[in-house]
Amino acid sequence: DQQVKQNSPSLSVQEGRISILNCDYTNSMFDYFLWYKKYPAEGPTFLISISSIKDKNEDGRFTVFLNKSAKHLSLHIVPSQPGDSAVYFCAASGYNNNDMRFGAGTRLTVKP
Amino acid sequence: GAGVSQSPRYKVAKRGQDVALRCDPISGHVSLFWYQQALGQGPEFLTYFQNEAQLDKSGLPSDRFFAERPEGSVSTLKIQRTQQEDSAVYLCASSPSSYEQYFGPGTRLTVT
Repeated sequence: DQQVKQNSPSLSVQEGRISILNCDYTNSMFDYFLWYKKYPAEGPTFLISISSIKDKNEDGRFTVFLNKSAKHLSLHIVPSQPGDSAVYFCAASGYNNNDMRFGAGTRLTVKP
Repeated sequence: GAGVSQSPRYKVAKRGQDVALRCDPISGHVSLFWYQQALGQGPEFLTYFQNEAQLDKSGLPSDRFFAERPEGSVSTLKIQRTQQEDSAVYLCASSPSSYEQYFGPGTRLTVT
């Protein structure tokens, strides 16, 4: 069962504009959410996270929003840069739960 | 400092062969995770170690899969009698805590 879903397999934006990547989850026991970024031939690298007690977390150009009632989170990148082009994975975990669930990923392409 | 390393990076096995995939975690990281990533999908949890103890192996798809971490550092994922459906990228991650995991580059296994 797919408990974490990223329904957009790809997204293309122009350099300087905002990129919005979306993620939905079904398990209400999840209480910690993460975004990972992956370049080809490399493992995923941690980007930003948010606890369920918050609805927003910001780190430089990256902001993650969490809507618990809708079981939805999003990653905003502004302004987008060509170096942001990568596959972005949404992940979710329960408290003290070592079974982290990942979405299928969204491939972001930022065009110069 | 050194990140998580995995070897080999690529492995081609004939159906029915046994394979062993190695993971060297970041020094001092207590937690170690193995994931399987099929093409076009996100990583799927296989198993989790805390030091040398395998605390969760619920994600292992069959009894052909076996993982160990005998001294609490290096880990090996072994797949016996490989099948074509085992073809995937196998990712190892280590963590000082459960949430932020640091991934290795993965081993791409192709079973022919």
